[in-house]
Amino acid sequence: AQTVTQSQPEMSVQEAETVTLSCTYDTSENNYYLFWYKQPPSRQMILVIRQEAYKQQNATENRFSVNFQKAAKSFSLKISDSQLGDTAMYFCAFTITTSGTYKYIFGTGTRLKVLA
Amino acid sequence: GAGVSQSPSNKVTEKGKDVELRCDPISGHTALYWYRQSLGQGLEFLIYFQGNSAPDKSGLPSDRFSAERTGGSVSTLTIQRTQQEDSAVYLCASSPAREQGVDTFGSGTRLTVV
Repeated sequence: AQTVTQSQPEMSVQEAETVTLSCTYDTSENNYYLFWYKQPPSRQMILVIRQEAYKQQNATENRFSVNFQKAAKSFSLKISDSQLGDTAMYFCAFTITTSGTYKYIFGTGTRLKVLA
Repeated sequence: GAGVSQSPSNKVTEKGKDVELRCDPISGHTALYWYRQSLGQGLEFLIYFQGNSAPDKSGLPSDRFSAERTGGSVSTLTIQRTQQEDSAVYLCASSPAREQGVDTFGSGTRLTVV
């Protein structure tokens, strides 16, 4: 089965603090991509960070970084120096490739609220 | 336009009616996807168009759902004989290539079937 599990439906963090969102996944594929997407109230999905599964080095993007544990199939997102604009739904996802095309498998999301 | 445009933004329809949802992708993007986001859920893949290739319809939940993409640009998702369980946000995304993670998403259409 191809699944993504986000076990934290809601989280909150004080502004300027650090928060970690957890994600585990299950796939039989060996080469895939992992993603964190942010969905603000505007509903548009915005890419936060991307990790290629064959790369051992954890991806970073400014205040956002991941802890990728391939053997454990874990892909957590750390947000440092949280800002009010980080308030949103966060979705973990990976892509599977079939017949030359790819599809996202998404988790159910974590609602993050940054408190002033 | 600068982004992926979807219309209408919100749609309320009566059970049993047909609806059409429109997606205008970014000009030049050859790949186009439709996803469904039900309340409290992640995105569920519906259909994928890539250039002139036959679409991947493997995610369509029933034969009441169909989609087309005219001229490799605008796409329309049609739901016939809508049911209450069809209520969801329908998101469209387009991509310039097969590279993963470069998709641009629209803001979706929130469909409510009453």
